[in-house]
Amino acid sequence: GDSVTQMEGPVTLSEEACLTINCTYTATGYPSLFWYVQYPGEGLQLLLKATKADDKGSNKGFEATYRKETTSFHLEKGSVQVSDSAVYFCALSDSTSGSRLTFGEGTQLTVNP
Amino acid sequence: GAVVSQHPSWVICKSGTSVKIECRSLDFQATTMFWYRQFPKQSLMLMATSNEGSKATYEQGVEKDKFLINHASLTLSTLTVTSAHPEDSSFYICSAREGGGPTDTQYFGPGTRLTVL
Repeated sequence: GDSVTQMEGPVTLSEEACLTINCTYTATGYPSLFWYVQYPGEGLQLLLKATKADDKGSNKGFEATYRKETTSFHLEKGSVQVSDSAVYFCALSDSTSGSRLTFGEGTQLTVNP
Repeated sequence: GAVVSQHPSWVICKSGTSVKIECRSLDFQATTMFWYRQFPKQSLMLMATSNEGSKATYEQGVEKDKFLINHASLTLSTLTVTSAHPEDSSFYICSAREGGGPTDTQYFGPGTRLTVL
């Protein structure tokens, strides 16, 4: 079945540091890939997505590239801010699983001033 | 962007009572809505998928008689936790999707925190 594996957290960075959160996946079909962010006490917000190989999703300074050869969708940001502190979820949607979302375990990011 | 609301945002109830949670898509018609449960510091667990006008599809291990889902219109789905017990205390999140394909984005509500005393 489909699965998503994220790097273990928590991740703690200083403001303006570079961020990479690794995400790899297994899927039987041709999935779409997503990054969602969850701020404390809130639901999930879509951060970015990519629907086919070599697509790059980007939003709010974050970006991720759909790498089919390495089955990866790593999240990157060049300079994090305190307001980026949240839990980040990598997810995939695959037509062979009824287009449901399969989530990774989430990575807690804390950015200190 | 697409907005999904949930009501209430939090609820405290006594053991044995039933609680209804509403999920609405405010600016689009959702052919499919999803209900998730999230435990502290954990990922989301899909409970059920509902399509407008048809019965919900429950994930394995989710009691359909305990978690009643109704998707009566293209903008509203409800989850009723019947005869709630303390172990049902959790953060319940809904999502809504306008299309039916894997490239279509799910938009999430802000969640409802249920505490059963």
